[in-house]
Amino acid sequence: QVQLQESGPGLVKPSETLSLTCTVSGGSVRSNYWSWIRQPPGKGLEWIGYIYYTGSTNYNPSLMSRVTISLDTSKNQFSLKLNSVTAADTAVYYCARLPPAITHFDYWGQGTQVTVST
Amino acid sequence: SYELTQPPSVSVSPGQTASITCSGDKLGDKYTCWYQQKPGQSPLLVIYQDTKRPSGIPERFSGSNSGDTATLTISGTQTMDEADYYCQAWDATTDYVFGTGTKVTVL
Repeated sequence: QVQLQESGPGLVKPSETLSLTCTVSGGSVRSNYWSWIRQPPGKGLEWIGYIYYTGSTNYNPSLMSRVTISLDTSKNQFSLKLNSVTAADTAVYYCARLPPAITHFDYWGQGTQVTVST
Repeated sequence: SYELTQPPSVSVSPGQTASITCSGDKLGDKYTCWYQQKPGQSPLLVIYQDTKRPSGIPERFSGSNSGDTATLTISGTQTMDEADYYCQAWDATTDYVFGTGTKVTVL
């Protein structure tokens, strides 16, 4: 059973960089696609981007200029960096796996709340 | 950008059938899936590739997708099915788009 766990600061100041890590257990990041999704308070879900085990990435065009997703195969982790954050980036951030079919997200982390505030 | 629209809420009596729609331009040409999200929990995949159920998801959950509308049907709805439901579409041009979400109330 694949499990994902997000970690990182729960509070980020405006204009700074949000950094989160997702640790994968029960599976290897050396296969499949790995993704980040967020959910602002009381709102719906928004796909941020994904990374393939080869290192290739694909980002939501609305966030592309501020997002970087990277992979650390030695730690079985992948990470999210979102720079120049504002209050609009306050959300629960989820990491998730895309199976080989890549049409849906089959395993999700529990999510981590990130608040952008001074 | 591509948009998916869902009704904000659906109410259903226990044992009855709930139908949740998801509308988007030529949605039937894309793969659609559905997630169930209970308060404080992460989304749970209940239908993928329009009609398929993941292992462990009850048979009362079913899906369809044609034209501009995908539908999630919950037959014999139980109180444990009360949750928010999100559709999500994928194709190579639009990538991953989520619907606006529907709150299902069982009363």
